[in-house]
Amino acid sequence: DAGVIQSPRHEVTEMGQEVTLRCKPISGHNSLFWYRQTMMRGLELLIYFNNNVPIDDSGMPEDRFSAKMPNASFSTLKIQPSEPRDSAVYFCASRAWEASGNTIYFGEGSWLTVV
Amino acid sequence: SQKIEQNSEALNIQEGKTATLTCNYTNYSPAYLQWYRQDPGRGPVFLLLIRENEKEKRKERLKVTFDTTLKQSLFHITASQPADSATYLCALTTNFGNEKLTFGTGTRLTIIP
Repeated sequence: DAGVIQSPRHEVTEMGQEVTLRCKPISGHNSLFWYRQTMMRGLELLIYFNNNVPIDDSGMPEDRFSAKMPNASFSTLKIQPSEPRDSAVYFCASRAWEASGNTIYFGEGSWLTVV
Repeated sequence: SQKIEQNSEALNIQEGKTATLTCNYTNYSPAYLQWYRQDPGRGPVFLLLIRENEKEKRKERLKVTFDTTLKQSLFHITASQPADSATYLCALTTNFGNEKLTFGTGTRLTIIP
């Protein structure tokens, strides 16, 4: 299995631009998570989906952030407009529903720099 | 407020010794506690899971303990090797079936040859 696939791996963008991060979960996994990691705040859960339905988006920092999962094999996290404080590593992760203990599998991350 | 604290930001251990990392939590009643390893530039990778009714779990050179009275988990790497150098994260789930996995800030472990 290829694991969780994220793109782009690195993105540098100017403040005010729209950023779209993409994720392909592991085939057969039906939960998908978006995390953000910074030095100051560590790894924070932004939103998660079960069976393509958003379940909890309480971690989404503000209305500039939105996430979608149009089908079981694809999700996007969009930031519009982007700000320098959005600079972070954004991780997508997925989980098989029948897995006990909530073990999740992470992608390699999308490194975002907003200048 | 709920907190997960990993007491050391960084830990240096001599090769061959046992490395012990600490995870403390407050205002949680975790159902599961997990440990992940993260290498620079990579995503976290699952290592071990321990349930609230388990006191100890082992996997090869790794051992995790879970004390719900002390609200603490200890993560041990025996016979440590330079390849064990990484950041180690603990994570909690509070309810069975709850999807929210909350992470500590991590401990950066360096094994010195």
